[in-house]
Amino acid sequence: EADIYQTPRYLVIGTGKKITLECSQTMGHDKMYWYQQDPGMELHLIHYSYGVNSTEKGDLSSESTVSRIRTEHFPLTLESARPSHTSQYLCASSHGTSGLSIGELFFGEGSRLTVL
Amino acid sequence: AQSVTQLDSHVSVSEGTPVLLRCNYSSSYSPSLFWYVQHPNKGLQLLLKYTSAATLVKGINGFEAEFKKSETSFHLTKPSAHMSDAAEYFCVVSLSGTYKYIFGTGTRLKVLA
Repeated sequence: EADIYQTPRYLVIGTGKKITLECSQTMGHDKMYWYQQDPGMELHLIHYSYGVNSTEKGDLSSESTVSRIRTEHFPLTLESARPSHTSQYLCASSHGTSGLSIGELFFGEGSRLTVL
Repeated sequence: AQSVTQLDSHVSVSEGTPVLLRCNYSSSYSPSLFWYVQHPNKGLQLLLKYTSAATLVKGINGFEAEFKKSETSFHLTKPSAHMSDAAEYFCVVSLSGTYKYIFGTGTRLKVLA
């Protein structure tokens, strides 16, 4: 069982509220990722981090922001939630490579956000 | 550019019959390939991975996949489906050194009693 945790699992919130989705991993992985997934759909990368104080935007444009102050912690924040932000957000981490081998992603259970 | 195509969005099989979920990839370099499974309201769990070792990869829960470079395929198989296999399956490709992962659109597996 992978040691990566997301809270809250479910969140229903009104438009305009600020929210933070928490993600923590205890595996010491340098790389961490946030994906957005609509029901029954593929995953889209919205943010990633290669280490402390390193964050990059992913392929899908997102109004959310992230920070990486500690290796184990990679929170995602929405300053003003809107109904269009309703989705599932998945956090993942991976370890480094060994030669040509790239490590697999370890996923949290996801945070399902509903904005009314 | 890298890409991954899952050829079937939905697959239905009867319990006890074989499972075949198809995946084709495009990559200019030696890829790492993965299959993940996602049950409803859960995160993704790794089934198996190919990272340039043996071309036939065995995973958890009786699944296996074969890397065929000539066909640029990495199909997932299981000899006998179980009801608990009903889930969404994602094929993923990554290029060594980039730490970026490209996901397929997913295949929803339905297992009929």
